[in-house]
Amino acid sequence: DAGITQSPRYKITETGRQVTLMCHQTWSHSYMFWYRQDLGHGLRLIYYSAAADITDKGEVPDGYVVSRSKTENFPLTLESATRSQTSVYFCASSPAQVYEQYFGPGTRLTVT
Amino acid sequence: GEDVEQSLFLSVREGDSSVINCTYTDSSSTYLYWYKQEPGAGLQLLTYIFSNMDMKQDQRLTVLLNKKDKHLSLRIADTQTGDSAIYFCAESIKTGANNLFFGTGTRLTVIP
Repeated sequence: DAGITQSPRYKITETGRQVTLMCHQTWSHSYMFWYRQDLGHGLRLIYYSAAADITDKGEVPDGYVVSRSKTENFPLTLESATRSQTSVYFCASSPAQVYEQYFGPGTRLTVT
Repeated sequence: GEDVEQSLFLSVREGDSSVINCTYTDSSSTYLYWYKQEPGAGLQLLTYIFSNMDMKQDQRLTVLLNKKDKHLSLRIADTQTGDSAIYFCAESIKTGANNLFFGTGTRLTVIP
């Protein structure tokens, strides 16, 4: 299917474990983003990428790692999950020179 | 830094108009956006306005921008139960990256 997908949609993990959230887009958009959504905070940018092999930190990058070896994929890794990383994570993409972002359906992550 | 604020909740009766407000602080905004998030889903772009415009109308949606006061509003005419969702305003600024800065979101509840 065309568009932007995230997997898994739901994940429960334990404190200290590594977990990777996947994001895939079929539009060949240059930009990709990871956000977390928490009550009272709206959406906060974790990392973004302007192109393959180019990534940069957002507002709340600590505890997260990203990579972008291919334009269409932008995985987000929690190297050692903490309870404070329990959240809903959204991936988004955007064409170059256009500011609108297109969002995936989200991944609900619970860290116990 | 960028600061986008919204009230958290709004309730209206079906058929009435809804007005969702947003204030932002960065005067170098280029575009301002309204996104809608339905339960369990990602954000969908509803509409946007360029920063040199005062108003934009799109069917039941009217966006008003007061650049002097840095105030953005979204009016939904004849609000329906299907309009119940969280509405986010967002601004883009000239940073060289396609970043958007989101408000906390307003949860609109439409009462039948």
